[in-house]
Amino acid sequence: GENVEQHPSTLSVQEGDSAVIKCTYSDSASNYFPWYKQELGKRPQLIIDIRSNVGEKKDQRIAVTLNKTAKHFSLHITETQPEDSAVYFCAASPTGNQFYFGTGTSLTVIP
Amino acid sequence: NAGVTQTPKFQVLKTGQSMTLQCAQDMNHNSMYWYRQDPGMGLRLIYYSASEGTTDKGEVPNGYNVSRLNKREFSLRLESAAPSQTSVYFCASSESVLVPPQPQHFGDGTRLSIL
Repeated sequence: GENVEQHPSTLSVQEGDSAVIKCTYSDSASNYFPWYKQELGKRPQLIIDIRSNVGEKKDQRIAVTLNKTAKHFSLHITETQPEDSAVYFCAASPTGNQFYFGTGTSLTVIP
Repeated sequence: NAGVTQTPKFQVLKTGQSMTLQCAQDMNHNSMYWYRQDPGMGLRLIYYSASEGTTDKGEVPNGYNVSRLNKREFSLRLESAAPSQTSVYFCASSESVLVPPQPQHFGDGTRLSIL
C-alpha cells in the first residue's frame, strides 16, 4: 500500500516568517493530495488540496506544490500568524476509498 | 447545516465491554469513513462505506465492525474493547469514492479510553 512520510514533525517560526512542510509518497498511482489543519482537540479541516495534473495551487497565504517525478509535495505558508499554530497533516489518495495520512507536523508561530 | 456529527464525544470503557460509536452526515454524501488517530501515527482508516449497503475494510479493521444504516448514518462497533483501542475516532464523509478522489469532511471525534 501507499506510504506517506511527513517532515518535520515539529516546526517553530517567528510570526511573519514562512513555514514549509514536506511529504513524500510511494505509490505512483496516488493522484489526490489534501492538506488538513487540526487545532488542539478539534477536527481535521481541509485547507488546500492538489490533484496530480497540477504542479502548484495557491490560496491566499497557503500554497501547495507537487513534484510527481520525485513523488513529493509541500505545503507553504507565508506571513505566518499565531492562529496558524496547529498540527498539519498531508495525505495521498490513489483511489477515492483510500487515504493515507502523514504523521503530522506541529507548527508553532511565535509572536 | 451540521456537516458530520459524532456521538458520544467522550467515553470510558472497561476491557471487554462493547459499545457503538455513531456518525451521521447531512451533506447527502455517498461515502463514509471511520479513522482512528493515535499520537505520532496520523489518521488510519478502519473501515469505509462507498455507498449505502456496502462496507469494506481499511488499514486497521481488526477488532471493529461497522454498519451503514442508511445514506446518512455509519456506525462503528467495538465488540470486546481492548486497551489497544484507546484512541480518538473520527468519522468522515465525501461525495463519492469514485475516481477522482473527493475531499473528506470530518466530525469532531470521539475520545475513547479503555481501562
